[in-house]
Amino acid sequence: NAGVTQTPKFRILKIGQSMTLQCTQDMNHNYMYWYRQDPGMGLKLIYYSVGAGITDKGEVPNGYNVSRSTTEDFPLRLELAAPSQTSVYFCASSLRLAVGETQYFGPGTRLLVL
Amino acid sequence: LAKTTQPISMDSYEGQEVNITCSHNNIATNDYITWYQQFPSQGPRFIIQGYKTKVTNEVASLFIPADRKSSTLSLPRVSLSDTAVYYCLVGRRADSGGGADGLTFGKGTHLIIQP
Repeated sequence: NAGVTQTPKFRILKIGQSMTLQCTQDMNHNYMYWYRQDPGMGLKLIYYSVGAGITDKGEVPNGYNVSRSTTEDFPLRLELAAPSQTSVYFCASSLRLAVGETQYFGPGTRLLVL
Repeated sequence: LAKTTQPISMDSYEGQEVNITCSHNNIATNDYITWYQQFPSQGPRFIIQGYKTKVTNEVASLFIPADRKSSTLSLPRVSLSDTAVYYCLVGRRADSGGGADGLTFGKGTHLIIQP
């Protein structure tokens, strides 16, 4: 049971480039999330999904897109990278949707936009 | 949504007991209190959750007074490896109508353990 896995671990992008951050979970969780964590700060919700084909915006969705074609995968797309998107990105999953439900996090993807 | 307040940082020494308090004055009846731990370069990890009184597991204890306006995470006999950021979250479970509102981790408490 690998839990939540993310690739890549680290990436440098030039301004205007695009990339997809991959996230996969093997716990058969319906609910998946993308967060970003800026240096010295907490985690902010970008997007979340309640199941295959259903996604919704979180607190900071601008500049990102998501899709959910399977239960296991929840990729995050950056179309036109900007320096403000330099951050660490965490994917998470949970069995149920609520603040009081346990979330399982991946190891993160560190992104630097120059 | 119940707002939480925690100390930004704390430090202690190996072998000591560490108590981190979280204030949540406007906690709602159906809200649970959940603590996560985040090591450097890793995602947060669930440590403990409680509703009232005291909860203990192999990692920590959680003390919640009767008015539930605060909670204290207690780490017994800390070691260097307990150096991490600790987050307090307050919110409902799914069976009480919980949703995505409030899914934000604040700055947490940066705990530094020294030899």
